[in-house]
Amino acid sequence: GNSVTQMEGPVTLSEEAFLTINCTYTATGYPSLFWYVQYPGEGLQLLLKATKADDKGSNKGFEATYRKETTSFHLEKGSVQVSDSAVYFCALRLKGAQKLVFGQGTRLTINP
Amino acid sequence: GAVVSQHPSWVICKSGTSVKIECRSLDFQATTMFWYRQFPKQSLMLMATSNEGSKATYEQGVEKDKFLINHASLTLSTLTVTSAHPEDSSFYICSARDPGATEAFFGQGTRLTVV
Repeated sequence: GNSVTQMEGPVTLSEEAFLTINCTYTATGYPSLFWYVQYPGEGLQLLLKATKADDKGSNKGFEATYRKETTSFHLEKGSVQVSDSAVYFCALRLKGAQKLVFGQGTRLTINP
Repeated sequence: GAVVSQHPSWVICKSGTSVKIECRSLDFQATTMFWYRQFPKQSLMLMATSNEGSKATYEQGVEKDKFLINHASLTLSTLTVTSAHPEDSSFYICSARDPGATEAFFGQGTRLTVV
């Protein structure tokens, strides 16, 4: 089946540290890949996306590259801020499908 | 990006009553909307897919008579939790996909507390 596995949290870092949140997927076709962010008490916001192999999605200093050979879409940021504290969800959607398949989420806390 | 508005943001109701949650796509037409439930510190659980003008498709294990979904127009879907009980307390989130976009857009969520 189709699934997404994320790095287990919680993750706690100091401000300006380098961030990596691992995400790997299993899919029967060629999915589009997404990272969503959820701030406390809110819904999800799209952070970035990639629709085909080797695409790099980027937004707000975050980046993720669609790696077909390793079936991965790891999220990175060079220097995190306190305001980046949130829960991050990796997700996929197969082409032609409507549903998103989510990972379990990774809670990130950035300390000043 | 496109905007999906969910209302109310939070609601407290008594056991046995029904609660309606609205999900609106503000600047696009959504033939399909999705309803999720999220337990504390957990991922989103898809409850049902709401299709405009037809019956919703429920995921396995979700009681369709308890969680009534209506998608009467291209911009509005509603979720009614009927005869609510404390175990229905949760965070409910809707999403919609703009047919012209790859990604789905999410509402801000509704915190339901049943007392």
